[in-house]
Amino acid sequence: AIQLTQSPSSLSASVGDRVTITCRSSQGISNTLAWYQQKPGKAPNLLIYSASVLQSDVPSRFSGSGSGTYFTLTISGLQPEDFATYCCQQYNSSPHTFGQGTTLEIK
Amino acid sequence: QVQLVQSGAEVKKPGASVRVSCKASGYTFTGYCIHWVRQAPGQGLEWIGWISPDSGGIDFAQKFQGRVTMTRDTSITTFYLDLSRLKHDDTAVYFCARGIWGGAYDAYDAWGQGTMVTVSS
Repeated sequence: AIQLTQSPSSLSASVGDRVTITCRSSQGISNTLAWYQQKPGKAPNLLIYSASVLQSDVPSRFSGSGSGTYFTLTISGLQPEDFATYCCQQYNSSPHTFGQGTTLEIK
Repeated sequence: QVQLVQSGAEVKKPGASVRVSCKASGYTFTGYCIHWVRQAPGQGLEWIGWISPDSGGIDFAQKFQGRVTMTRDTSITTFYLDLSRLKHDDTAVYFCARGIWGGAYDAYDAWGQGTMVTVSS
């Protein structure tokens, strides 16, 4: 199975900051990568698919990039509602694996 | 709007079976594969498998071999996940989710609210 490794596992930042989360794949997956945001007690919410395509209704401060084995999620200008857990997912092949998650906390 | 509404929480004993349902509405039922994902308390997301709504074809993670069944009832636009021979570490929130373009190899653009399954003796 393809393994996804996210870093960092947790991150402290302030409102207005720019943060970047990385996701590395154990095998090349082209651009078949998604990013989700999850808040406590809620289902994940799709932010980015095809590595860089912003899902509809997701604010433009979220952006994704990468291809192959290295991917990033960047949030430019953190808002209070952005403090949550973020995870990557590959859907290139079965099983559709997820990264272990990055918790973004308020500094 | 697209909605996936799941059944309520379950408490089961080890060795028992559980069925989680996921009722779909707001879109063409037969056009989109449904995936099942679970999340143990305080842990990350784990993919279980997917089902095609028209053919009923499935694929699932090898670790669930022999214990998982995924079905659908097109007459009531509902998907089902059955997990048997439950173990304590099956305790998790189980989610259904829809593939964004309908296929089996998609990101998931709509999710159910989650069903807590607790396995406890």
